[in-house]
Amino acid sequence: DADVTQTPRNRITKTGKRIMLECSQTKGHDRMYWYRQDPGLGLQLIYYSFDVKDINKGEISDGYSVSRQAQAKFSLSLESAIPNQTALYFCATSAKYEQYFGPGTRLTVT
Amino acid sequence: AQSVAQPEDQVNVAEGNPLTVKCTYSVSGNPYLFWYVQYPNRGLQFLLKYITGDNLVKGSYGFEAEFNKSQTSFHLKKPSALVSDSALYFCAVRGWGSARQLTFGSGTQLTVLP
Repeated sequence: DADVTQTPRNRITKTGKRIMLECSQTKGHDRMYWYRQDPGLGLQLIYYSFDVKDINKGEISDGYSVSRQAQAKFSLSLESAIPNQTALYFCATSAKYEQYFGPGTRLTVT
Repeated sequence: AQSVAQPEDQVNVAEGNPLTVKCTYSVSGNPYLFWYVQYPNRGLQFLLKYITGDNLVKGSYGFEAEFNKSQTSFHLKKPSALVSDSALYFCAVRGWGSARQLTFGSGTQLTVLP
């Protein structure tokens, strides 16, 4: 969905490095989310934000942090990457019910 | 806690035949239910939702789903499958009130055979 963009699309990094994944949206939605996808596990919620001043931990927030710089921007950071954080990461936005997903960032930690 | 079960990792169906992808859920109170589809190297795309009202909901690309409260199910259906329907399908649930986030199932890979 071109209304939700993620950068980078692919990233390979080494254990212990800090990395930031960025998400921008033009849908004007207040609610934004970060998920990770692992094969056979579906999507797991990392963090979510209902507005710039409202940030909440999801089910798997350990090892991650987020920043909501503006209504349109929501960044996910891995302070010290580890191999089991290798996954596909999705950003999403919503107005009320359904969510709209970005194309994903494939992160590999070696 | 809310949860979603998609009991089939893989569903194969011949082109032109009807398809069903199963989903059951557990949530406190009335549920919001969703189906999403994921094509290779793409993000999830919204297909349809049940919020309230008619138990049969219609969505994109000819898909529909039936909400069954007594069986806590929300199965995805299509009368005639296309090869282009081959993708990964996710069911998701959200409760009313304090449960503000979606919980996703583990996904079902649908393959439509020509």
